[in-house]
Amino acid sequence: IVLTQSPATLSVSPGESATLSCRASQSLSSALAWYKQKPGQAPRLLIYGAATRASGITARISAFGSGTEFTLTISSLQSEDFAVYYCQQYNKWPVTFGQGTRLEIK
Amino acid sequence: DVQLVESGGGLIHPGGSLRLSCAASGFSIFNHYMTWVRQAPGKGLEWVAVIQGGDTTRYADSVKGRFTVSRDTSKNTVYLEMNILRAGDTAVYFCARDGGAGGNFDYWGQGTLVTVSS
Repeated sequence: IVLTQSPATLSVSPGESATLSCRASQSLSSALAWYKQKPGQAPRLLIYGAATRASGITARISAFGSGTEFTLTISSLQSEDFAVYYCQQYNKWPVTFGQGTRLEIK
Repeated sequence: DVQLVESGGGLIHPGGSLRLSCAASGFSIFNHYMTWVRQAPGKGLEWVAVIQGGDTTRYADSVKGRFTVSRDTSKNTVYLEMNILRAGDTAVYFCARDGGAGGNFDYWGQGTLVTVSS
């Protein structure tokens, strides 16, 4: 299953909101996760089941979608939010990741 | 606290072998699927292998037949045996714990760098 994330890079000012997209080549039901990765660090799970926040994840992060179209929204952007975001499907083995969206400071 | 610590990376010649270890603490690997994910320099994430309940294993096509994932529950450690290494295997290798839904990963190690070069 191929996951296509858009845009590749998103430039947003602190305090604003950002919406990232992930499209799947076939239906995933709700078996989609989102991760955040900062340089030199391991990825961190943000969302699983397409819309459920992982433990300790801020309510400024929300996600929506099912089937083949998914979105991740981060509101009131803070410095720690600027990173690379990956979607990942686990509906079918092998699990696959999108190519990532880089969220940068405008 | 849940912790995963990888070790065993390094510089290896093409065709060589290497074994990575992932020492887990704060939970039992017996109760969780454990996965390896890699990231080539400047690139995205690529799933490599998983060991599931009953020691069932799955592999990415790119490593099938060359890599073997295993676990020692008495040491609470997962291993990745890598053989016939190629330049394309150069990456940071992360181990990760499955969150319970069969494929999303709630805890990750810090990663260990494998460089395949002559």
